[in-house]
Amino acid sequence: DTGVSQDPRHKITKRGQNVTFRCDPISEHNRLYWYRQTLGQGPEFLTYFQNEAQLEKSRLLSDRFSAERPKGSFSTLEIQRTEQGDSAMYLCASSLGRAGNTIYFGEGSWLTVV
Amino acid sequence: AQKVTQAQTEISVVEKEDVTLDCVYETRDTTYYLFWYKQPPSGELVFLIRRNSFDEQNEISGRYSWNFQKSTSSFNFTITASQVVDSAVYFCALSEAGTGNQFYFGTGTSLTVIP
Repeated sequence: DTGVSQDPRHKITKRGQNVTFRCDPISEHNRLYWYRQTLGQGPEFLTYFQNEAQLEKSRLLSDRFSAERPKGSFSTLEIQRTEQGDSAMYLCASSLGRAGNTIYFGEGSWLTVV
Repeated sequence: AQKVTQAQTEISVVEKEDVTLDCVYETRDTTYYLFWYKQPPSGELVFLIRRNSFDEQNEISGRYSWNFQKSTSSFNFTITASQVVDSAVYFCALSEAGTGNQFYFGTGTSLTVIP
């Protein structure tokens, strides 16, 4: 299977701890996106990379959040000093080429902050 | 303001019934793209269809069909002869050419097909 993969699928952490999620996009895709989804809501945009450059960040992405895509392949999303409000599913997606093309999602990483 | 509105929060139908999921969007761009995704209980968002703003032809794929009407800013999705496997949350999404780096999703419609 060469779809978008995310790791870990589930993470339970104590408030104040740091967590990191990894995303491996579809191999030929140059664009990579992070979204967040809470129960009963649609995905909300967090940030976007074109190759290794982070070109756009949502206001939802507070200073405690940082994302990287060091070699233009996989990406990591780190949340520092987690809060209960960070509990959500973090979705990674990738696409090829220009804006408006279809984005393909991974299975998501569920985060529970206790 | 919400760019994509899915007014139906939950729908239940009996197997083999037809069901239509509504999507209304808002944009000032003349070039934009509309999408439908399916999210089964496993959580992964599965791509179903993409339409651009210049193509108003309706599309049919098996039991699925989509009706795009620019005059009413709607992009509705119909499942014919529903099956239990169609039970999922369905999301409509908008991508604008002017700000094409992010997709705007509706809040989703949860469809339950009762056997």
